[in-house]
Amino acid sequence: DAGVIQSPRHEVTEMGQEVTLRCKPISGHDYLFWYRQTMMRGLELLIYFNNNVPIDDSGMPEDRFSAKMPNASFSTLKIQPSEPRDSAVYFCASSQLAGGMPFFGPGTRLTVL
Amino acid sequence: GENVEQHPSTLSVQEGDSAVIKCTYSDSASNYFPWYKQELGKRPQLIIDIRSNVGEKKDQRIAVTLNKTAKHFSLHITETQPEDSAVYFCAARIDNQFYFGTGTSLTVIP
Repeated sequence: DAGVIQSPRHEVTEMGQEVTLRCKPISGHDYLFWYRQTMMRGLELLIYFNNNVPIDDSGMPEDRFSAKMPNASFSTLKIQPSEPRDSAVYFCASSQLAGGMPFFGPGTRLTVL
Repeated sequence: GENVEQHPSTLSVQEGDSAVIKCTYSDSASNYFPWYKQELGKRPQLIIDIRSNVGEKKDQRIAVTLNKTAKHFSLHITETQPEDSAVYFCAARIDNQFYFGTGTSLTVIP
């Protein structure tokens, strides 16, 4: 298994543009997590899915952020419109069981100018 | 939710010395505590974990201790090597969710 796959690895965009981050979880993992990592706040859970259904999105910072999981092998995190303060590394992670340790993807480094 | 605090935020040690990173948590219902290592530009990877019914766990040069009464747990790295340089994250699990500390940047000086 290739592990959790994320794309793109790096994204540079201008303020106001729409950004879409993509994730493919490990096959057979029923849980998918989106995290944001910054120097100031460390790793923050934004949202997680169980069997493609969003369970807890209380970490999503505001309405500009949205996430979807149309099927078991694909999820997106969208920011519209993007702002400079959204600059961070965004990690997708998946786990097999409820409460199972998350396996992280390589991350997407987002820079909003 | 759970609140996990991690100290220190940065740590420098001489090669061969020991390094200790400490975390505290707020909710006594937390029952699983993994530690992740994140090398520069890479993903966090699990290095060791401990469950709430265990006080200590060791894997070669890495050990983790848990004090449930005081609600703190620590990572111990002995005989540090330059390749141990990385950011280390602790985490606590409660209600099937993980809450992470803010990380410790460890530098091992050759």
